[in-house]
Amino acid sequence: GNSVTQMEGPVTLSEEAFLTINCTYTATGYPSLFWYVQYPGEGLQLLLKATKADDKGSNKGFEATYRKETTSFHLEKGSVQVSDSAVYFCALSDGSSNTGKLIFGQGTTLQVKP
Amino acid sequence: EAGVAQSPRYKIIEKRQSVAFWCNPISGHATLYWYQQILGQGPKLLIQFQNNGVVDDSQLPKDRFSAERLKGVDSTLKIQPAKLEDSAVYLCASSADSRLLSGNTIYFGEGSWLTVV
Repeated sequence: GNSVTQMEGPVTLSEEAFLTINCTYTATGYPSLFWYVQYPGEGLQLLLKATKADDKGSNKGFEATYRKETTSFHLEKGSVQVSDSAVYFCALSDGSSNTGKLIFGQGTTLQVKP
Repeated sequence: EAGVAQSPRYKIIEKRQSVAFWCNPISGHATLYWYQQILGQGPKLLIQFQNNGVVDDSQLPKDRFSAERLKGVDSTLKIQPAKLEDSAVYLCASSADSRLLSGNTIYFGEGSWLTVV
């Protein structure tokens, strides 16, 4: 079945460091890919998305490119801030079904220290 | 635009008691989802509605969980009787139309935090 695997956390970085959070997926058909972010005590917020191969999603300095050949959607940011501390979830939407439901990875906690 | 509203935000109950969560999706959104998020894990879909019909409830523990969306707008998720392992955040989400796959963005509420003791 469809699944998403993220790198284990927590990831601890100093402010202004480069961030990469790895995400790989297994899916039939042509899924859409998403990154959601969950700040402490808050709900999930869509960070960015890509709907087809080679698309690049970007938002708030974060980027991720849909790589079909490596089945990956790694999240990157050139210079992290303390305010980026949160839990990041990679997810896919099954493109072969008609439900649009999301399948999530287990989440990666990012801690940014001043 | 108002987001997805959920209540209550926090609930503590004893095992074998019952609890109900309410969700009001974004206005005009046809699709409504309930997800369960256990601490340290990603959210897992419990049930999906398209208007007032159930699209997917394959992972809903039907012996204790029930959900309805009678008029195709608000929804209620009920747990009866609750077990310790039901302690989780229950996330409601909505989207304009799940059939619009490429343009279908799912918006989440802040969640209802359940602790079963």
